[in-house]
Amino acid sequence: DAGVTQSPTHLIKTRGQQVTLRCSPKSGHDTVSWYQQALGQGPQFIFQYYEEEERQRGNFPDRFSGHQFPNYSSELNVNALLLGDSALYLCASSIQGFGELFFGEGSRLTVL
Amino acid sequence: KQEVTQIPAALSVPEGENLVLNCSFTDSAIYNLQWFRQDPGKGLTSLLLIQSSQREQTSGRLNASLDKSSGRSTLYIAASQPGDSATYLCAVRGWGQNFVFGPGTRLSVLP
Repeated sequence: DAGVTQSPTHLIKTRGQQVTLRCSPKSGHDTVSWYQQALGQGPQFIFQYYEEEERQRGNFPDRFSGHQFPNYSSELNVNALLLGDSALYLCASSIQGFGELFFGEGSRLTVL
Repeated sequence: KQEVTQIPAALSVPEGENLVLNCSFTDSAIYNLQWFRQDPGKGLTSLLLIQSSQREQTSGRLNASLDKSSGRSTLYIAASQPGDSATYLCAVRGWGQNFVFGPGTRLSVLP
């Protein structure tokens, strides 16, 4: 049973660039949530996708956008990168957004 | 707005000890609560999920309790082992909301 998979695992960008992170949910899950985790802090909710639509959004600017595909996989896009966007980006999946949350290993983004 | 705190921020214990990690939340109208562990630089591993109607959940050496009225949950780890060393996070979900995470407790179990 494949768990949540994320790619890439690490990446380095410069300020002003754009980045795309990818996530495949756990088998049988239809809801994907994205979180940002700064060093030493708990994850902060970015947004959630269900049925290919953004259902909920946390307190993040419009530079953060996403997409969910018919196979339930998802992408997180961040435009105009800032130094403060350096963090571990975590993808989590669940069933219809209510059940137990399962996380991937994350994508470590460094912005120089 | 839901706020989640965890005490202590860090804990160091000798192997074999039983220990308790605490999680507090400000809004008692929750849907469920989930405990995770996180190894350095890694993703989160689910430990236990407690529904709002439940008082506790157990998995192996782990036991999590929930007291909604007081806004608290505890994670009890029995007979701690060096492999239990990690950061433990609790997350609270309100009705129709997403999980709000605490800052975590960093646990070190010394051989």
